[in-house]
Parts: sequence; structure tokens; C-alpha cells
Amino acid sequence: QKEVEQNSGPLSVPEGAIASLNCTYSDRGSQSFFWYRQYSGKSPELIMSIYSNGDKEDGRFTAQLNKASQYVSLLIRDSQPSDSATYLCAVKDYGQNFVFGPGTRLSVLP
Amino acid sequence: EAGVAQSPRYKIIEKRQSVAFWCNPISGHATLYWYQQILGQGPKLLIQFQNNGVVDDSQLPKDRFSAERLKGVDSTLKIQPAKLEDSAVYLCASSPSKGEGLETQYFGPGTRLLVL
Repeated sequence: QKEVEQNSGPLSVPEGAIASLNCTYSDRGSQSFFWYRQYSGKSPELIMSIYSNGDKEDGRFTAQLNKASQYVSLLIRDSQPSDSATYLCAVKDYGQNFVFGPGTRLSVLP
Repeated sequence: EAGVAQSPRYKIIEKRQSVAFWCNPISGHATLYWYQQILGQGPKLLIQFQNNGVVDDSQLPKDRFSAERLKGVDSTLKIQPAKLEDSAVYLCASSPSKGEGLETQYFGPGTRLLVL
């Protein structure tokens, strides 16, 4: 059974701080990695995708991937109250099988 | 560009009844997914279609759930008979195709199902 694990949180950070969200996965054959944001009562929306080891930056968001450690993270710089949501890590393997983690609830305190 | 459409948005039924959900993906998207998201959990893939063929239905409870995508466009997901534990949000998503950058899933608004 392929698994994706995340801390459920809630993770609380003050406004303006860096929020760090972590995800580990069990399948070494995983090829594609995604971070989705889900506001309460809404559908997931894609924030970042990453395919190669290293960092990928997009505005205030940075995704980090380490395939050897089977670890992917999302950093949110200058956190805003509007970033308060559940962040879902999703992993895809060669076979196009997507597995989502349980999500981490982030609360950014004004 | 229109997003993924789903209907109904909400459904309340009693256990042992039947229910069907409809999804219309983004135009031109070859891949369509149905997910079940129970409150407090991440989405769980039920079935994945590539055009009108099934790619993965390993987690679909086939004794009660069925899904089809007859013309490779819209899709229906049916539950018959429903159980209390089927109460969840049913999310439909679509993506353009395979390949890096083309796998991004776009989610519909979901159907909230409550089984009493």
C-alpha cells in the first residue's frame, strides 16, 4: 500500500513568518509531486508541482524535493492570514496512480 | 475556460438508497478522476479514466460503486446501495494528459453526500 504521510497539525505561525510543511512518501518509484491548498468547504487547488530533486520557487512558495530521503516540503514565506488552509501533498508514480496525504492544517495568526 | 462541472452539489439520502453524481471535465482533458474525501482526510482515488477507458479502479468498492465515461467526455459515479460510511465529498478532477506539466489536476466543486 503506497502511503503519503503529513503532520495533521494544526500548524500555527504568526503573520509574516515562514511556514514549513512536510511530506514523506513510501513508494521510491514516485515521479511527480504536488502541493494543493484546500480552504474549508472548497476543492483542492494546485499550488506547486515538482519533478526533480532540489528547490522550485514560485512567488512566496518554495517546494523542496529529496528523492533519496523520500521527502518533499513546502515553504511559505511572509505567511498571510489568507494562507490559512489545509495543505495536501500528492504523489504520482509511473503508473499514473495519484496518492494524497491526509493534509496539514495551517493557521496564520494576525 | 470553463472549469470542471459537477452536479448535484448536495445530496441527502437514506441508507440502502441509490445515488448518482455527474461530472463534466474541462474541454479537451483526456484524464478524469473520481475521488472520495471523508471529513478530515485527504482525497482517496476511486477511479481514473483515460478517455473512455479505465486506468485504475483498484480502490473502487465494486460491490456498490460503479462509474462510466461512455463517450470520453462526461462521467457518472453511482452508489447502490448507499451505506452510512459513504457520507463524504465526491470530487471529480480532470487533467490534460500524461507528461510533466500536463498532469495537473483541476478539481470540480464536489458533491457533498450525507447518508442517513
